[in-house]
Amino acid sequence: EAEVAQSPRYKITEKSQAVAFWCDPISGHATLYWYRQILGQGPELLVQFQDESVVDDSQLPKDRFSAERLKGVDSTLKIQPAELGDSAMYLCASSFPGGGETQYFGPGTRLLVL
Amino acid sequence: QQQVKQSPQSLIVQKGGISIINCAYENTAFDYFPWYQQFPGKGPALLIAIRPDVSEKKEGRFTISFNKSAKQFSLHIMDSQPGDSATYFCAASGGGSTLGRLYFGRGTQLTVWP
Repeated sequence: EAEVAQSPRYKITEKSQAVAFWCDPISGHATLYWYRQILGQGPELLVQFQDESVVDDSQLPKDRFSAERLKGVDSTLKIQPAELGDSAMYLCASSFPGGGETQYFGPGTRLLVL
Repeated sequence: QQQVKQSPQSLIVQKGGISIINCAYENTAFDYFPWYQQFPGKGPALLIAIRPDVSEKKEGRFTISFNKSAKQFSLHIMDSQPGDSATYFCAASGGGSTLGRLYFGRGTQLTVWP
């Protein structure tokens, strides 16, 4: 069964350092999402891609976060500089285009900022 | 502003009992309502989903009840098992500029005692 791949699974960094997360969606899924999940809460969308284009980045803290999906396949989410409040699970999901399509989530990257 | 409100925050049920989790929404543009199950350290996985043209959907032991006029929907887990112990999230998405974006509830931590 096809799965969304993410790496690394865990990342510990010090504040003010740069971190990057990678996501490889299910083959054929044109839509890719990055969510942030704070412990004890539901995931919240950071950015949504349709192929290589950003569809929604309204909740992305653009002063420190950036995301790209250059070839419309895999994607990278970067934080620079990391802050203590960025400690969370970063989840990648993918789906076929269109609303109401099942989103398949990867295992996530657990980030701890010290 | 929480787009989807979920209750209870935690739920303890005996094996064989019925687990009920409730969600409410405000945005009438929402037209897709999935439930996700998440185990510790894992990404959310789709459990069951419903669209507003039906009032109920059943898959095995899991049933969604949907009340469009009240803008509420609920998950019922029949014959709850210890393996059902996980965190459950309701979510909603709709058309327009937020096409595909999922709005999650805060989650319900379910514990099923043997």
